[in-house]
Amino acid sequence: GAGVSQSPRYKVAKRGQDVALRCDPISGHVSLFWYQQALGQGPEFLTYFQNEAQLDKSGLPSDRFFAERPEGSVSTLKIQRTQQEDSAVYLCASSPGGFGTYEQYFGPGTRLTVT
Amino acid sequence: QKEVEQNSGPLSVPEGAIASLNCTYSDRGSQSFFWYRQYSGKSPELIMFIYSNGDKEDGRFTAQLNKASQYVSLLIRDSQPSDSATYLCAAPGNAGNMLTFGGGTRLMVKP
Repeated sequence: GAGVSQSPRYKVAKRGQDVALRCDPISGHVSLFWYQQALGQGPEFLTYFQNEAQLDKSGLPSDRFFAERPEGSVSTLKIQRTQQEDSAVYLCASSPGGFGTYEQYFGPGTRLTVT
Repeated sequence: QKEVEQNSGPLSVPEGAIASLNCTYSDRGSQSFFWYRQYSGKSPELIMFIYSNGDKEDGRFTAQLNKASQYVSLLIRDSQPSDSATYLCAAPGNAGNMLTFGGGTRLMVKP
């Protein structure tokens, strides 16, 4: 079956521009996560949805970052007024169950470069 | 803040040898652990998870968990050059279902 998909795969933004990153989770997966991965490091948690509810956004680095999942399926991560330090790979992952289910399956990621 | 620590490597092993990758974690209450493989430029791929003390085997991979020592490892038998990748260890994070990842260990299997 289809895995997690993300678009765009690559995004170059000028500093100050707004960007929107899309994630299509595995069909039927309840939980959806966004992570940020800097070069040479492990993924760092940004935010978590269970269906359409955003249950944890403690990892979002600033109020310029916003995520939504309005119908409990596709999710969008938006970054306003991008800064150079936002350059990273943004990974989306989905998980089949709710609380207590931890196996997460990752999409290919969106590589964001802010110039 | 829960932490997961890994040696960044690189760990270099000859083809056919056993590669041993190690991970320590700070939260004694952690119940489950995950190993992901990440090829350069690709996203993490789940290869093993373990919930109970002891060993769990899946093909050439064995995950070992020692909760008393707060230590989890991944053994790869008969290592192949295609196993060359970064291996990420992860455990449940501070809240909800999020995962806390280690920095990853880069494995190089030399023909």
